Amino acid sequence: NAGVTQTPKFRVLKTGQSMTLLCAQDMNHEYMYWYRQDPGMGLRLIHYSVGEGTTAKGEVPDGYNVSRLKKQNFLLGLESAAPSQTSVYFCASRQGGYGYTFGSGTRLTVV
Amino acid sequence: AQSVAQPEDQVNVAEGNPLTVKCTYSVSGNPYLFWYVQYPNRGLQFLLKYITGDNLVKGSYGFEAEFNKSQTSFHLKKPSALVSDSALYFCAVRAVGGNKLTFGGGTRVLVKP
Repeated sequence: NAGVTQTPKFRVLKTGQSMTLLCAQDMNHEYMYWYRQDPGMGLRLIHYSVGEGTTAKGEVPDGYNVSRLKKQNFLLGLESAAPSQTSVYFCASRQGGYGYTFGSGTRLTVV
Repeated sequence: AQSVAQPEDQVNVAEGNPLTVKCTYSVSGNPYLFWYVQYPNRGLQFLLKYITGDNLVKGSYGFEAEFNKSQTSFHLKKPSALVSDSALYFCAVRAVGGNKLTFGGGTRVLVKP
């Protein structure tokens, strides 16, 4: 039982490049979330999904897009990366209860 | 909009002394409250949660937290800190019936031998 798996773990992008971060969960959870973590700002919600085929904006959605075509996967896309998107990205999932399971994070640097 | 405040960027405590990490929250309606811990270059680990019932919640590794509705606080406590408790601690809130989990800015705890 792997829980929540994020791919890749590290990435360096040039300004203007695009990429997709993959979050996969094997717990059949309905809800999935993407956060970014920046020093002194905690974790901020980018986008989330309440079920397969649904997405919704969080606190800081600009510059990101998401898709939830399959229940187990939640993709975060950067169409044109900017240095301000340098951050650590965390994915999380939960079922109808209270417990959230977090992935180990993706460290993204945009130069 | 819901929010969480952790007023201290860093807390320093000597090993064996009590540890307190402060958290206040703002949310519409009743809250679910959480504490997470993050060690360097790691993900978030769940410590404890308040859902309903007893205001004193006991969690992992000897930590506990007290929910105070009138003060909208959920302070994390440990009676006797260990050097291995040195880490980054996050408080988080979700409204009952809501979908979004909102985090505070985090408090770095440094326990000195």
